[in-house]
Amino acid sequence: NAGVTQTPKFRILKIGQSMTLQCAQDMNHNYMYWYRQDPGMGLKLIYYSVGAGITDKGEVPNGYNVSRSTTEDFPLRLELAAPSQTSVYFCASIDRGGLAGEETQYFGPGTRLLVL
Amino acid sequence: EDQVTQSPEALRLQEGESSSLNCSYTVSGLRGLFWYRQDPGKGPEFLFTLYSAGEEKEKERLKATLTKKESFLHITAPKPEDSATYLCAVQVNDYKLSFGAGTTVTVRA
Repeated sequence: NAGVTQTPKFRILKIGQSMTLQCAQDMNHNYMYWYRQDPGMGLKLIYYSVGAGITDKGEVPNGYNVSRSTTEDFPLRLELAAPSQTSVYFCASIDRGGLAGEETQYFGPGTRLLVL
Repeated sequence: EDQVTQSPEALRLQEGESSSLNCSYTVSGLRGLFWYRQDPGKGPEFLFTLYSAGEEKEKERLKATLTKKESFLHITAPKPEDSATYLCAVQVNDYKLSFGAGTTVTVRA
């Protein structure tokens, strides 16, 4: 298994540009998440999905959009990039643990975004 | 509002010097508490999940414990390779995890 993969690793955007951060997982997890991590702060939830075709807002959704057409992919779209969106973005998925019920959250390697 | 506070912010240890990290939380209903390790430039790596007060879990030199208001991550006889940022997060419903800001541990040889 490749686990959770993210592309690109790093990107510089100009103010007002748009881009899509890609996220894919090959573990057949239903729950997927997008977080942002700013220096000295905890991870903040942007959007999450409980399965293909189902998405919902997290704590900080403004300026972002998501879609979930397949179980594997969960792209994050930035429209009209702003300097406040400079951050490191992590995608994650959760393994519910089956009968044991123990949950494990797997994170991707992150995308570092700089908006100038 | 759910709050997760980790202390200290930074911890510098000599190799072999055991210590503990604290994660205190105020949530409306705890479903689980997670510990992660994060190396610079990488995503968090899952360590433990704790579900009920009194529960303990161990992995190599790390041991996590849980009470009704806080969790501790004990590092026994740390090595330089234990240097990382340790994150804790609480799960309050079926989908949401609230994260603390982390404790950065540096272990000197």
